[in-house]
Amino acid sequence: EAGVTQFPSHSVIEKGQTVTLRCDPISGHDNLYWYRRVMGKEIKFLLHFVKESKQDESGMPNNRFLAERTGGTYSTLKVQPAELEDSGVYFCASSQVPGQGTNTEAFFGQGTRLTVV
Amino acid sequence: AQKVTQAQTEISVVEKEDVTLDCVYETRDTTYYLFWYKQPPSGELVFLIRRNSFDEQNEISGRYSWNFQKSTSSFNFTITASQVVDSAVYFCALRGGTYKYIFGTGTRLKVLA
Repeated sequence: EAGVTQFPSHSVIEKGQTVTLRCDPISGHDNLYWYRRVMGKEIKFLLHFVKESKQDESGMPNNRFLAERTGGTYSTLKVQPAELEDSGVYFCASSQVPGQGTNTEAFFGQGTRLTVV
Repeated sequence: AQKVTQAQTEISVVEKEDVTLDCVYETRDTTYYLFWYKQPPSGELVFLIRRNSFDEQNEISGRYSWNFQKSTSSFNFTITASQVVDSAVYFCALRGGTYKYIFGTGTRLKVLA
């Protein structure tokens, strides 16, 4: 079974440009999360989808960040326009809805390393 | 407020030494989960263990063991007879009443041959 996959693995863009990150969750996982790790800091929550609905977007830093999950499958995270402080590793994770006999831990992708220069 | 503290930024050990990674957490939730994840050089976060707040039984899996103590709000991770392949960044995380994970800043473990 394929895990959580993220594209691209690395992205280097100039300040002011736009970048779109993509996440494909594990098939059947309704929960999808975006997290970000700025160099040397903790991994911080950005937002949470349940299917196509945004359940919690309290961690989104500002309105330059836009996340979508059309159809409740893959998700995109767009940064427009990118700033230097947006550099970091962006992780996507997915999990099943908890229920009898199911696990609830999140499975993470390999991350997208974004560098804004 | 929820918080996870990993006070050790970086640890270096020589192969075959035992090493313990510390994790201290804060939460007001009565039901919560604690996790450890490993981030090897390839970048992905690899799930290692989940422990719920009602289960303080320590766990051993091969060379890995975990010590959960609610009295001190700690969930420490020990690697016995460390190997070079254990070199990675290790994250401790807490999940309370929501699906949101609260991560620590990570501990970089370097195992030297």
